[in-house]
Formats: sequence, C-alpha cells, structure tokens
Amino acid sequence: QQQVKQSPQSLIVQKGGISIINCAYENTAFDYFPWYQQFPGKGPALLIAIRPDVSEKKEGRFTISFNKSAKQFSLHIMDSQPGDSATYFCAASMSTSGTYKYIFGTGTRLKVLA
Amino acid sequence: KAGVTQTPRYLIKTRGQQVTLSCSPISGHRSVSWYQQTPGQGLQFLFEYFSETQRNKGNFPGRFSGRQFSNSRSEMNVSTLELGDSALYLCASSPYATGATGYTFGSGTRLTVV
Repeated sequence: QQQVKQSPQSLIVQKGGISIINCAYENTAFDYFPWYQQFPGKGPALLIAIRPDVSEKKEGRFTISFNKSAKQFSLHIMDSQPGDSATYFCAASMSTSGTYKYIFGTGTRLKVLA
Repeated sequence: KAGVTQTPRYLIKTRGQQVTLSCSPISGHRSVSWYQQTPGQGLQFLFEYFSETQRNKGNFPGRFSGRQFSNSRSEMNVSTLELGDSALYLCASSPYATGATGYTFGSGTRLTVV
C-alpha cells in the first residue's frame, strides 16, 4: 500500500513531441503528489505538484493530470526539448504523526532526440 | 540564496569502516531529510529531523544513524560499511515542520564502498 508504481522505466521522444510518464498509488491517504526532475550529478528538483482536489495543473510545458478514482497521476511534457532529457520521479506523500512521509516512484529516464 | 550543501561530494571507503556525511540546509529551513538513491531501488527514505528531533525513520538497519544540530545542520553516519551501501546519499530541506510543500534537495554525496 505504500508503493508508488512508475512507468515507463525509460522513454525516448523526438524533439517537439509529447512525453508522458505515469504513476499509480494504492493508499488513499496520500494527499500531495510532486514530480521531481533530476539531471546527472545533481539532486532531484521539484518540477510541479498537485493535490487530489484538482484534476489538472499546468505550469508552462509541464502538466500533471490526476485521476483520483483510478488512483493514477501522470506528467505530460509538451513540445519536449533536448534540455528536458533527465530522470523524472513521481512521489506521493501523506501526513504521518504530524510530518509528511514521501514515497518515490522508481524513476523514468527521458531522452529527447534533437 | 545558497541551496542545500552536502559534503563531501564523493567518498570511497573500505568495507567495515564507518562514514559521516554532512548536510547544511537552506538558511531558515528547519526540516532535514535523508534519502539513499540507488539504480535498483530508487529513492529510499532514511530519516527526517526537525528541531534536533528525529520525527520519521525509514526501514534501514541500525547501522544508519543521523542527528541534527541547533543550527539545523545535519549529519548521517553509517557504521560497519557494506558493499551494498554504495549509493548516492541525498539530503533535502524544507522550511516547514511537516515538509508538506516539497523538499529542496542537495546534489548528494556519492559513497563507494570497496
């Protein structure tokens, strides 16, 4: 119940295409769903996040779609660019004893071809 | 504004030795969390500190320990190193007690156990 399943493990997209990464969770107590972007040699950086009372959130070329009933959420990268090539992690968090506990997906390595 | 600083960036240790990693959070951030990142397991939560108190702990053996100082700086220690401890160790800080709005990660310490 504590797992967050992320797919695909790797993704290759042409420049200008749409990259889609999916995550699924089981525990309905999760109430905050961030996405992180990680470049080689760097720590993950918060990209965009959503709470379950919203079905979609858009920030620039990045959109989170959230399906509460299916317990799934996805990241869409529109007009994908070579600079977007990185590893993306979804996460889910919930309050536990007054603190937030994060569960991360296993990551998706995205390569955008020029 | 300085980010999360982790030192050292790289470490090579011998099996059986112990190691101490350091993390300086963003100024004003009082919550510090530690994660282990490996290719096979992704990001695994180690522990979280707030105001010098450990508030959450992941499923790691007792060889992994940590502490937080009054200036919010944190250290983690791994004793009796095993080959499987080779990983990227990430520290993340948050300004809030609950870490609810997401972390800022450091670039990590790459530990290699030989």
